[in-house]
Amino acid sequence: AQSVTQPDIHITVSEGASLELRCNYSYGATPYLFWYVQSPGQGLQLLLKYFSGDTLVQGIKGFEAEFKRSQSSFNLRKPSVHWSDAAEYFCAVGAGAGGTSYGKLTFGQGTILTVHP
Amino acid sequence: NAGVTQTPKFQVLKTGQSMTLQCAQDMNHNSMYWYRQDPGMGLRLIYYSASEGTTDKGEVPNGYNVSRLNKREFSLRLESAAPSQTSVYFCASSEGRGWGGELFFGEGSRLTVL
Repeated sequence: AQSVTQPDIHITVSEGASLELRCNYSYGATPYLFWYVQSPGQGLQLLLKYFSGDTLVQGIKGFEAEFKRSQSSFNLRKPSVHWSDAAEYFCAVGAGAGGTSYGKLTFGQGTILTVHP
Repeated sequence: NAGVTQTPKFQVLKTGQSMTLQCAQDMNHNSMYWYRQDPGMGLRLIYYSASEGTTDKGEVPNGYNVSRLNKREFSLRLESAAPSQTSVYFCASSEGRGWGGELFFGEGSRLTVL
């Protein structure tokens, strides 16, 4: 079964500092990987996704993530954080075509990001 | 430009009461999902519907039932609510097979069971 671990429950950074949110996954084949962001009281919005190809993927709002198969990781990064980035971030893994869990996502526990001015 | 719409947004129930959460999507998606979100546990899949006319259990189906009314609508029913079902519920949809599971979410329904 697939699983996702986000080791950091809460991260605090200063505005303008760089950011890296960690995500480790467990899945037997090539996974589909996602990062979602949730602002308070809102639903989840897709930041970026990895299906195949280039292991460095670009997303919205200046975020990027790198797929490292050898480390089973898909860490989210941003060079300079803005106050509006304060939110909760979820990593998710989905099964590829042919898998029995195809179309279903398994989410990590989430990382809450606080941004200090 | 509605996307995924959930009703109600807030509900308070007493233990043993029943209720239905409604979800509708206007993106012509094949698959629909119900997740619950609890602090520190991320989102857990309750039920999903891969296509109109089919439903399957997810990770935490106990205490819930679902109906895929048509391609647009997917409802979640609590027959006898329990305090353990206090949570935020999210409906989501995806185009289905071929899209790799990218989900589009509603804004959530916050349920409190006393």
